[in-house]
Amino acid sequence: QITLRESGPTLVKPTQTLTLTCTFSGFALTSEVGVGWVRQPPGKALEWLALVYGDDEKRYSPSLKSRLFITKDTPKNQVVLTMTNMDPVDTSRYYCVHSGYLYWGQGTLVTVSS
Amino acid sequence: EIVLTQSPATLSLSPGERATLSCRASQSITNLLAWFQQKPGQPPRLLFYDASHRAPGIPARFSGSGSGTDFTLTIISVEPDDFAVYYCQQRYAWRTFGQGTKLEIK
Repeated sequence: QITLRESGPTLVKPTQTLTLTCTFSGFALTSEVGVGWVRQPPGKALEWLALVYGDDEKRYSPSLKSRLFITKDTPKNQVVLTMTNMDPVDTSRYYCVHSGYLYWGQGTLVTVSS
Repeated sequence: EIVLTQSPATLSLSPGERATLSCRASQSITNLLAWFQQKPGQPPRLLFYDASHRAPGIPARFSGSGSGTDFTLTIISVEPDDFAVYYCQQRYAWRTFGQGTKLEIK
């Protein structure tokens, strides 16, 4: 059974750095299987942020690339997303997702406010 | 960046009617398009990948078609459980989603 679960802070202040962890089970990262992050502001559309594969290939949203860093911890079955210089417009539910799109975490709501 | 434009923004139908949802890409994406369904409080659910390949467990009343820049998601007879927001997503160049089509009860 494949599962993914997001964890991290629910509230961050403007200018701070957000760090989210995705803990997954039921599959292994390979050169063709990865884990990514998608966010969704309340009431708005979905947006891909970043993706990492088992061979450490990393892909980023071109518009957010300067603020994002994704890494994996293979022994722990975790993928970590870091997003710098957070702003209130970054308030969203952040999902981690299997690269085949079938499996998603429930998401974690992150609010950016002072 | 490849922009996906979904139409209509809102589709109001009664159960039993046919639903036709459109997704148009700003440039050719061959067949590298997926469709998702999202209900309130839930993550998206994959319906189709590579334009027309049905994901496991998706009912046959759903179909996906198209290639190049124009894609369609069809529900031949809408059921009460189908009322939700539908998103298309391309993976030809990075990954981008459309803005969604809300299928609501008329």
